[in-house]
Amino acid sequence: GAVVSQHPSWVICKSGTSVKIECRSLDFQATTMFWYRQFPKQSLMLMATSNEGSKATYEQGVEKDKFLINHASLTLSTLTVTSAHPEDSSFYICSASETSGNTIYFGEGSWLTVV
Amino acid sequence: GEDVEQSLFLSVREGDSSVINCTYTDSSSTYLYWYKQEPGAGLQLLTYIFSNMDMKQDQRLTVLLNKKDKHLSLRIADTQTGDSAIYFCAERGSSASKIIFGSGTRLSIRP
Repeated sequence: GAVVSQHPSWVICKSGTSVKIECRSLDFQATTMFWYRQFPKQSLMLMATSNEGSKATYEQGVEKDKFLINHASLTLSTLTVTSAHPEDSSFYICSASETSGNTIYFGEGSWLTVV
Repeated sequence: GEDVEQSLFLSVREGDSSVINCTYTDSSSTYLYWYKQEPGAGLQLLTYIFSNMDMKQDQRLTVLLNKKDKHLSLRIADTQTGDSAIYFCAERGSSASKIIFGSGTRLSIRP
């Protein structure tokens, strides 16, 4: 079964509103989680590294004020897309690994459509 | 910076073997992964190989790693229609846990 869960799987929101996506590690504690974005027919692009108890590390070109990341516990990281626009419509995927683990597990992904 | 490259498409006949190739640039890669993504779904880890290995076999899957040439391949034996998907090669460097993905190879199966 899934070891990393994302919620919601699908979300439609109006332009200008904010939407939150949750990423949970189910069977393990993850001090670090990662958020990726995937446009249709394209690869996954790392957006940011989410660190439990500290600020996220954003990749170049990713607006930290637009994509708010909170990693409040060892099993939960959230990505909030603020003031969403249609161009933010995408597939967002999180990943996590155990602190000493070799394997990185991915969530099922969340489809965001901004209308 | 790190870069991972794959060809975009591969078409094979059902029952034949599929070989998906990948090259990467990070010489400090510790782990290399193959993920499968079916339409509209998340990523499924197929297999991974540690950088000090040159081959790993798991049922129908065989991974070959040429560390000198920074070349990774995934062979799927007896390819079936259910193998149709996008396959992503990915590498993980030594300095961080983040994974860098290739563009993905879309595998299609013809009868």
